[in-house]
Amino acid sequence: KAGVTQTPRYLIKTRGQQVTLSCSPISGHRSVSWYQQTPGQGLQFLFEYFSETQRNKGNFPGRFSGRQFSNSRSEMNVSTLELGDSALYLCASKRLAGLDTQYFGPGTRLTVL
Amino acid sequence: AQSVTQLGSHVSVSEGALVLLRCNYSSSVPPYLFWYVQYPNQGLQLLLKYTSAATLVKGINGFEAEFKKSETSFHLTKPSAHMSDAAEYFCAVSIQGGSEKLVFGKGTKLTVNP
Repeated sequence: KAGVTQTPRYLIKTRGQQVTLSCSPISGHRSVSWYQQTPGQGLQFLFEYFSETQRNKGNFPGRFSGRQFSNSRSEMNVSTLELGDSALYLCASKRLAGLDTQYFGPGTRLTVL
Repeated sequence: AQSVTQLGSHVSVSEGALVLLRCNYSSSVPPYLFWYVQYPNQGLQLLLKYTSAATLVKGINGFEAEFKKSETSFHLTKPSAHMSDAAEYFCAVSIQGGSEKLVFGKGTKLTVNP
């Protein structure tokens, strides 16, 4: 069974631009979560989607948004990029909406110049 | 709110030596606990998980962890380190109740010396 895939793997943007990252979950998984990983803050939860609805949201500004499609694929968008948004963005999928094991993709490395 | 503390941001062992990575959690309800490993420029790979069944959990690559409720700990061990174990290890907790997000520790970078 194929794992979680994320595209693109690397992105370079400049301040003020916006970016869209994509995540395809493991087949049969309906929940997708996004995490941001930085050297300073570590791994932080952004949001979770299940059946095209946002279930939970972390403590990030409104510039960070996401959505999920009917095939469970998810995208996250960051508008008006700031230098501090440079990070590894990880997507994780799980079968259920509740307590379940999350499986991670390889991540998208975003660099903001 | 739940939290995770990993003691030691860097651990160095010799090849063949015991690996012990420490994790303590804080949770007001019974937690699910996880250990993930991250190799350079890669995502997180699940090593093992505790989901309220057996307290001694065996994972991949010879790793195991023991859930000790009285000590609120979930330390990761491996009897004999291999060079390929060099990576960063993250302990995480998740609880039932509206937001089953993973809350991670800061990570422990494991170095294995020949």
